[in-house]
Amino acid sequence: EAQVTQNPRYLITVTGKKLTVTCSQNMNHEYMSWYRQDPGLGLRQIYYSMNVEVTDKGDVPEGYKVSRKEKRNFPLILESPSPNQTSLYFCASRLFTGGNQPQHFGDGTRLSIL
Amino acid sequence: AQKVTQAQTEISVVEKEDVTLDCVYETRDTTYYLFWYKQPPSGELVFLIRRNSFDEQNEISGRYSWNFQKSTSSFNFTITASQVVDSAVYFCALSEGETSGSRLTFGEGTQLTVNP
Repeated sequence: EAQVTQNPRYLITVTGKKLTVTCSQNMNHEYMSWYRQDPGLGLRQIYYSMNVEVTDKGDVPEGYKVSRKEKRNFPLILESPSPNQTSLYFCASRLFTGGNQPQHFGDGTRLSIL
Repeated sequence: AQKVTQAQTEISVVEKEDVTLDCVYETRDTTYYLFWYKQPPSGELVFLIRRNSFDEQNEISGRYSWNFQKSTSSFNFTITASQVVDSAVYFCALSEGETSGSRLTFGEGTQLTVNP
């Protein structure tokens, strides 16, 4: 089954404790991205990747890191999480880098930073 | 810069009513793509439709229909004879052109509640 898989689905942690949210897709998609969803703000892009070893900042990259060492994986790293990073996070992928392709989303990861 | 506005934060209707969700966008590109996504209470994002800037034909899929009007920069979504299962947050989104890294810009979302 074609899918984007995120882990964990839920995480409660404390300020400053490094965490990683994994994202994996099995569709051989070139483009992957991370979004955060906050009430009243919709989804905002954090980082994106157009292919292996190619990443770039989205609209809200502060406090986050990413890597793309393999085509299928695109982990989101919070080196020193803070309460303002409490949010619902989505990983997405699409076949090519062009904007005409719909993105496929994972089921989301709800992070609570205390 | 591209922008999407969904002015209706919440809409509540009674089952079988028709409901229209508004979406207004801003872009400087002549080539762009518009999308609607549905987020049911379970939280996942479900792709509903894509429309490119060169195709202003309205589209109907079952009880769903979409009205794209470039003159008013709008891409509205109508649900006919709404059902309780239509209750969800609906997002309109815009992607500019074919450029590498074309990002998807989302509106704020409209929470639709369909009451029995």
